[in-house]
Amino acid sequence: GGIITQTPKFLIGQEGQKLTLKCQQNFNHDTMYWYRQDSGKGLRLIYYSITENDLQKGDLSEGYDASREKKSSFSLTVTSAQKNEMAVFLCASRDRGHERLFFGHGTKLSVL
Amino acid sequence: DAKTTQPDSMESTEGETVHLPCSHATISGNEYIYWYRQVPLQGPEYVTHGLQQNTTNSMAFLAIASDRKSSTLILPHVSLRDAAVYHCILRVGVQQGTGSKLSFGKGAKLTVSP
Repeated sequence: GGIITQTPKFLIGQEGQKLTLKCQQNFNHDTMYWYRQDSGKGLRLIYYSITENDLQKGDLSEGYDASREKKSSFSLTVTSAQKNEMAVFLCASRDRGHERLFFGHGTKLSVL
Repeated sequence: DAKTTQPDSMESTEGETVHLPCSHATISGNEYIYWYRQVPLQGPEYVTHGLQQNTTNSMAFLAIASDRKSSTLILPHVSLRDAAVYHCILRVGVQQGTGSKLSFGKGAKLTVSP
């Protein structure tokens, strides 16, 4: 079995700061995703990538950048953290031809 | 992708069989029905999926209406560990080599009492 590792687990930032979240998977999956989940709400897709060096915008890409330099890793950058922002960022991966997603445990972001 | 409608919450007691409904009145013929569940502080976990026929696995039984406009996830003999938010989502079958935008709603929160 494989695993998806997200780092850090908790991230505290300052308003206006650029913050980077990392995700690693050892499933050898092609497609990776970044979702944002606000308290009591559903998951909103930020970016996804179907292969190394590919990037596709989701429904919530404004204010974020992403990078897929290796098949196993997918990073997300908050370009300018918003004051009092609080959310959980979830990374997921999926194998080609399959629909089942595997998720990491998330990175919880708090902005002071 | 077609949207789904679920109750915000449901309550149950340990040992009961729980029926979680999902309405998808505008589902297309090539859309699969997927169920995921999410416990606090973790990402969603795959439960099951189906297209037209009922399906069963070690976690749940998925009953799909004959017109496919609704489905029900059936959890037999629930335990405290089954307490979670259950997401019902629809997705077109994935072609080889293509990615897919998979969106999750709020889901239905299942509470299980001792």
